[in-house]
This record gives sequence, C-alpha cells and structure tokens, in this order.
Amino acid sequence: DGGITQSPKYLFRKEGQNVTLSCEQNLNHDAMYWYRQDPGQGLRLIYYSQIVNDFQKGDIAEGYSVSREKKESFPLTVTSAQKNPTAFYLCASRPGQAAYGYTFGSGTRLTVV
Amino acid sequence: GESVGLHLPTLSVQEGDNSIINCAYSNSASDYFIWYKQESGKGPQFIIDIRSNMDKRQGQRVTVLLNKTVKHLSLQIAATQPGDSAVYFCAERPGGNMLTFGGGTRLMVKP
Repeated sequence: DGGITQSPKYLFRKEGQNVTLSCEQNLNHDAMYWYRQDPGQGLRLIYYSQIVNDFQKGDIAEGYSVSREKKESFPLTVTSAQKNPTAFYLCASRPGQAAYGYTFGSGTRLTVV
Repeated sequence: GESVGLHLPTLSVQEGDNSIINCAYSNSASDYFIWYKQESGKGPQFIIDIRSNMDKRQGQRVTVLLNKTVKHLSLQIAATQPGDSAVYFCAERPGGNMLTFGGGTRLMVKP
C-alpha cells in the first residue's frame, strides 16, 4: 500500500538533546512538508521541500533542521535550540505541480522530559 | 489518544442529525479549498475539496459550500454518525502550491 509513514509515534527528549523524526513516503510525491500542531491552534509550517536536495524554511523554522537527500525521505531534527518542542508533529506530501491536496502521515508526539 | 484541539470550538450534535461546520478563510485570491478530518492521535484525512469556480460540491454524505463573497466555507455532514466525531479543519490555497490551514472545529456526536 502506498502511504506516508512517520516514526516513532511517541518520542521523549531530555533537555538539551537533539532528536530526529522520520518521515518516509512511497507515493512518489515531489513535495514534502513538516507541520507542528499544538492544542487549540492550526497547523504551523516548519519546513518544506519541493524537490530533492532543496528545502525552505516555513513560519516557525527556528530550532529545527531538515534534509532531503532522497525523494522518499524528509527527516526533521528538533535541536536543543527549540525551547518548547513538546507538540504533535505532522509530515505531509503532495504529488506535484498540478495537485494541491496533501497526504498526511499519522504524526509523532514529542514530549520533553 | 493525542490531545489535539483542547481549546477548539466544539459542535455537539445528536446521532442522525445533520452537522454544519463553518470556516472563514482569509485570502480572497484563494482558488482551492479542502476539508480535512483528524481523529485523536491520527493524521488529517482528506474529506472533500472544491475549486473557486464552484459554489457547491457533494461527496458521500458530505457537501462543501463555498461563498466567495464573504469568504466562507462550510462542510455539511448528513446523518451524522459516532464515527464522524473528530476535529475538522479547512485549508485554502492562496497561491503557489502551499496550503494555509484553519484552526479547526471539534465535532462531538451524542448517541
């Protein structure tokens, strides 16, 4: 089955640690996105990538980093510089230029302990 | 489950009734709109979309209405079922290939 997979589902981070959230898709989609979701708020864009080896900052990129070395993969690293990382993180992908709807993964809940 | 949307607007309906969820979008240049459903602890799922050259589109038990004059989008769910309980949010495409997402409404279905 084609889809977009996020792992792990739950992740715990100690203060000062970097952690990496995985996002893999086998949909052959060109564009991939990372969003952060907090209670009572809409989705906020962290980073996005339209093609391999290229990515752009979204609205809340500070404290995060990404890479896009393969079309299928768009990992997100939450660095120690992110002061309030506890949130639900969603990865999404979109087929290409003529398609506008996103397909979402099932999310990763990150908690700082 | 995931505590998404603790402080979201909530719509409570009786099972079997029709539900109407509203969304005010921000950009008059937006030409494409989507409704997503998000169940607790899961990622959003596509429900239905509509382009700006239409004012109504129907799917299975769902209808989306678009009023460009007042920048308003609504999702109607017929014969609401317990499985419809979720957070619903709209998204608009103001330009380029990016979507902008609304804050969401929690739908609670009473048996």
